[in-house]
Amino acid sequence: KAGVTQTPRYLIKTRGQQVTLSCSPISGHRSVSWYQQTPGQGLQFLFEYFSETQRNKGNFPGRFSGRQFSNSRSEMNVSTLELGDSALYLCASSLRTGGYTEAFFGQGTRLTVV
Amino acid sequence: DQQVKQNSPSLSVQEGRISILNCDYTNSMFDYFLWYKKYPAEGPTFLISISSIKDKNEDGRFTVFLNKSAKHLSLHIVPSQPGDSAVYFCAAIYNQGGKLIFGQGTELSVKP
Repeated sequence: KAGVTQTPRYLIKTRGQQVTLSCSPISGHRSVSWYQQTPGQGLQFLFEYFSETQRNKGNFPGRFSGRQFSNSRSEMNVSTLELGDSALYLCASSLRTGGYTEAFFGQGTRLTVV
Repeated sequence: DQQVKQNSPSLSVQEGRISILNCDYTNSMFDYFLWYKKYPAEGPTFLISISSIKDKNEDGRFTVFLNKSAKHLSLHIVPSQPGDSAVYFCAAIYNQGGKLIFGQGTELSVKP
């Protein structure tokens, strides 16, 4: 079974630009969550999508948005990039059909804003 | 407000000995806990989890202990191997939510 796939793996953008990151979950998983990892703040939750609907949202500005498609693939968009947005962005998928299920992470997209 | 805390940024252990990684939490609503292992520039890998209705869960060399009254959990790795060297994160969930709240991580170094 293929794992969680994130593309691209690395990205360099300029301040003020926007960026779109992509995540393909494990087959059969309907929940996709996004996390930001920085040295200072650790791993922080951005949002969760389930069946194309946003279920949870973390404390990030509106410049961070996401969506999920009918095949459960998800995209995350960051507009008007700032230097502080440089981070490893991680996507996680899980079954979430009832009860607790573990989240499985992709390898991440390393975003550098210059 | 750091709801999940890993107070030891690093831990060094000799190969073959026990590694004990600790995690404290403040939110009594948390009812499911997980441990992840992470190498640099990679995503976290799920290791083991425990529900708040249990006090111990074991999987091979990994055992997680939960002390609800102390709001404390620990991960024991026995015996430790050099390949276990990585950053370990504990995480918590409440109300069957999809939001994982992570600690800051503990970097484990297992020396041959």
